[in-house]
Amino acid sequence: QQQVKQSPQSLIVQKGGISIINCAYENTAFDYFPWYQQFPGKGPALLIAIRPDVSEKKEGRFTISFNKSAKQFSLHIMDSQPGDSATYFCAARETGAGSYQLTFGKGTKLSVIP
Amino acid sequence: NAGVMQNPRHLVRRRGQEARLRCSPMKGHSHVYWYRQLPEEGLKFMVYLQKENIIDESGMPKERFSAEFPKEGPSILRIQQVVRGDSAAYFCASQFRPGQGNSYEQYFGPGTRLTVT
Repeated sequence: QQQVKQSPQSLIVQKGGISIINCAYENTAFDYFPWYQQFPGKGPALLIAIRPDVSEKKEGRFTISFNKSAKQFSLHIMDSQPGDSATYFCAARETGAGSYQLTFGKGTKLSVIP
Repeated sequence: NAGVMQNPRHLVRRRGQEARLRCSPMKGHSHVYWYRQLPEEGLKFMVYLQKENIIDESGMPKERFSAEFPKEGPSILRIQQVVRGDSAAYFCASQFRPGQGNSYEQYFGPGTRLTVT
């Protein structure tokens, strides 16, 4: 059972464009939603994270939009650059479960072309 | 301030051998998670440890896999009698103190890429 569904699987965006990656979840107990960026051969790096008490969080060119009623959240990368080319993972965590494990989406491979 | 360290970065084992993967968390972090990443897949949780305690091993295969985080030294993920299906990237992540302030964040190491031949 895939608890966090991520789309699209791959994305090609022109330099300067907006990259949008979407995630949906079923478990209403999830209360923390981070996004990770991973370059080939490297570990995932925390990019930005949101809690469900806010609908949007912005850090530089990266914005998370969160829709609690629809159980969806998305990552927007404004003014996309070739250096943003990487695989992006959304994740979610359940509170009160005793363990703080993250449940990951399958990832989106972003290619930003000049 | 050093990040999460993992070694070795690459490990080749023949079927039936043992693999030992090490993870040193960030300074001040006392909680460690291990995740496995298969090619073209997201990361899957394996085990969560505090110093000298396994808190959650619900993602660990029942056989051949074990993990520890001793009072001194790195956390170790041990895979006995490896099979080809164990070939994957294994990542550890460290966390300061879950549930307090901004300490939800998990910081990942560079991973160990295990190849079983």
